[in-house]
Amino acid sequence: DAGVIQSPRHEVTEMGQEVTLRCKPISGHDYLFWYRQTMMRGLELLIYFNNNVPIDDSGMPEDRFSAKMPNASFSTLKIQPSEPRDSAVYFCASRGVKSALDTQYFGPGTRLTVL
Amino acid sequence: QKEVEQNSGPLSVPEGAIASLNCTYSDRGSQSFFWYRQYSGKSPELIMFIYSNGDKEDGRFTAQLNKASQYVSLLIRDSQPSDSATYLCAVIPSGGSYIPTFGRGTSLIVHP
Repeated sequence: DAGVIQSPRHEVTEMGQEVTLRCKPISGHDYLFWYRQTMMRGLELLIYFNNNVPIDDSGMPEDRFSAKMPNASFSTLKIQPSEPRDSAVYFCASRGVKSALDTQYFGPGTRLTVL
Repeated sequence: QKEVEQNSGPLSVPEGAIASLNCTYSDRGSQSFFWYRQYSGKSPELIMFIYSNGDKEDGRFTAQLNKASQYVSLLIRDSQPSDSATYLCAVIPSGGSYIPTFGRGTSLIVHP
């Protein structure tokens, strides 16, 4: 398996622009997670999906952020408009089974820089 | 708020020594505990999980869990420079969602 795939790996944009991050989970995994990691705040859960349905988006910082999962093999995280404080590494992760012992597998991340 | 606390470090140990990384958690009903390793510029990768009190060994790594005291630790024996990374503790809290809460990680530096 290719693992979790994310694109782009790096994104540099100017404040006010729309940014779209993409994720392909591991085939057969039912859960998909979006995280943001910064030095100041560590790894933060933004939103997660189960069977393509958003379950908890309480970590989404504000209305500028939105996420979709139109099918089992694709998800997007969109920021519109972007701001410099959104600069971070964004990870997508997937998990196969909802259990106390199952683990998440992380993608390589997208490093976002908003100028 | 269910919290997971780790000392941010850096923890510096000489090559060949034992590195001890600690994690405390606030939710007494927490069920499972994971250690992830994250190299600089890379994504977290799972190295150990534990769910029963006591020790669990895997090669040079030992995870220790003490639910009464609400802490979990990771020991790395015969530390190598390649072990230099940030180690994230993740805890599955009570409540049934099975969504882990991550600590902010401890930076480990193993110097030759």
